[in-house]
Amino acid sequence: AQSVTQLGSHVSVSEGALVLLRCNYSSSVPPYLFWYVQYPNQGLQLLLKYTSAATLVKGINGFEAEFKKSETSFHLTKPSAHMSDAAEYFCAVSGGSNYKLTFGKGTLLTVNP
Amino acid sequence: GAVVSQHPSWVICKSGTSVKIECRSLDFQATTMFWYRQFPKQSLMLMATSNEGSKATYEQGVEKDKFLINHASLTLSTLTVTSAHPEDSSFYICSAPPGGPTDTQYFGPGTRLTVL
Repeated sequence: AQSVTQLGSHVSVSEGALVLLRCNYSSSVPPYLFWYVQYPNQGLQLLLKYTSAATLVKGINGFEAEFKKSETSFHLTKPSAHMSDAAEYFCAVSGGSNYKLTFGKGTLLTVNP
Repeated sequence: GAVVSQHPSWVICKSGTSVKIECRSLDFQATTMFWYRQFPKQSLMLMATSNEGSKATYEQGVEKDKFLINHASLTLSTLTVTSAHPEDSSFYICSAPPGGPTDTQYFGPGTRLTVL
C-alpha cells in the first residue's frame, strides 16, 4: 500500500520569497515520487520526478525537490516565488509492481505581490 | 515532449443521456492509459486503467457498466458515462505513459462534465 500526505492545503507567499511545499509518503517498496502542477481548469503538468537516482531532483520553472528516505519526505522548493507559480500542486507516489499513481490532496499556492 | 489531448474540454448534458470523452496520445503510442476523476478542490482519484486490446481494469467502487472504457487503438481511449446523473458531474482527466504502464504519466487537459 502507498499513500501521500501533503501538509498544508493552502500556502501563501510573497513574490520573491522561498516556496516550500511539504510532502510525506508511505510505501512498502522503493518509491517513485512526483510533483505535478495544475492550473485552473487544466490537466496536470509534470514538474519533476524521483526514480531512485540522485536524491536532489531539479525540475522545470526553477523547482526542485529532495528525496529523504529517513524522513519519508519529498518536499518541493523554489528559491524565489513568481506570480505565475500560483496554482495547485500535487505530490504523487508509485512503486514496484504497482505503477498506479496515488496522489496527495494537493496544496494551493498563492503568491502575493 | 509527450502530449495528451482530450475532447471535448467541457460538456453539458441532460440527466439520463450518455456522454463520450476521448483521450488521445498525440506524439506517442500508449498501450495503457489511465482515467481519473477530480471533484472540486479535491485530489485525483484513479477510476480505471485502459488497456489496448483488452478489457479495462476498474478500481474498487467504480461501476464498470456506468463508465465504459474502450481502448480503440494505440493512440485513443474513450470513456463513456452512461445514463449520466448530476452526481456524475466532475472533472475527468486521462493520462498516458509513453514507455508503458511503469513510465511517467503525462496528463490530458481534462474534460469538465456537467449533468443537468
